[in-house]
Amino acid sequence: EPEVTQTPSHQVTQMGQEVILRCVPISNHLYFYWYRQILGQKVEFLVSFYNNEISEKSEIFDDQFSVERPDGSNFTLKIRSTKLEDSAMYFCASSQTGNTEAFFGQGTRLTVV
Amino acid sequence: QQQVKQSPQSLIVQKGGISIINCAYENTAFDYFPWYQQFPGKGPALLIAIRPDVSEKKEGRFTISFNKSAKQFSLHIMDSQPGDSATYFCAATNPSNTGKLIFGQGTTLQVKP
Repeated sequence: EPEVTQTPSHQVTQMGQEVILRCVPISNHLYFYWYRQILGQKVEFLVSFYNNEISEKSEIFDDQFSVERPDGSNFTLKIRSTKLEDSAMYFCASSQTGNTEAFFGQGTRLTVV
Repeated sequence: QQQVKQSPQSLIVQKGGISIINCAYENTAFDYFPWYQQFPGKGPALLIAIRPDVSEKKEGRFTISFNKSAKQFSLHIMDSQPGDSATYFCAATNPSNTGKLIFGQGTTLQVKP
């Protein structure tokens, strides 16, 4: 069964460092997303991406965040200068359209120290 | 208006019992309501979803009941099993076609043997 894959599974970084989280969405999907889940809390939308551009972003997704689809398979989330409060699970998701089932990856646990 | 409110926060059910989780929304533009199941350390997995043109959808032991006039929907897990112990999130999206999912706060379900 096709699945969304994310790497790495766990990333530890120093405050102020840049991190790049990587995702390979399901191959025939056209919509890509990043979500964040702080430990024990709900899943929060960060950004959606379609046709090589951001289609919607949340208030959380400020200038420190960026997304890119550098090739036909990868989808990345970059955090330029990490803060302690960026520590969370980051989930990539993809869907065929903007109004159908979204499938989530296993997540990357980001720990900022 | 963008919130989805979920209750209860936690639920303990005996094996074989019925688990019921409720969600309420405010935005009448929402038109797709999925439920996700999440095990510790894993990404949310789509369980079942409904659109507002039907009042109920059943897949195996899982049923969504949808009340459009009350702006509420619920997940019923029949014959609950210990393997169902997980966190369940309701979500909603509107037809803006960006695919953004708005999640409820989550319900931690424990099914006792």
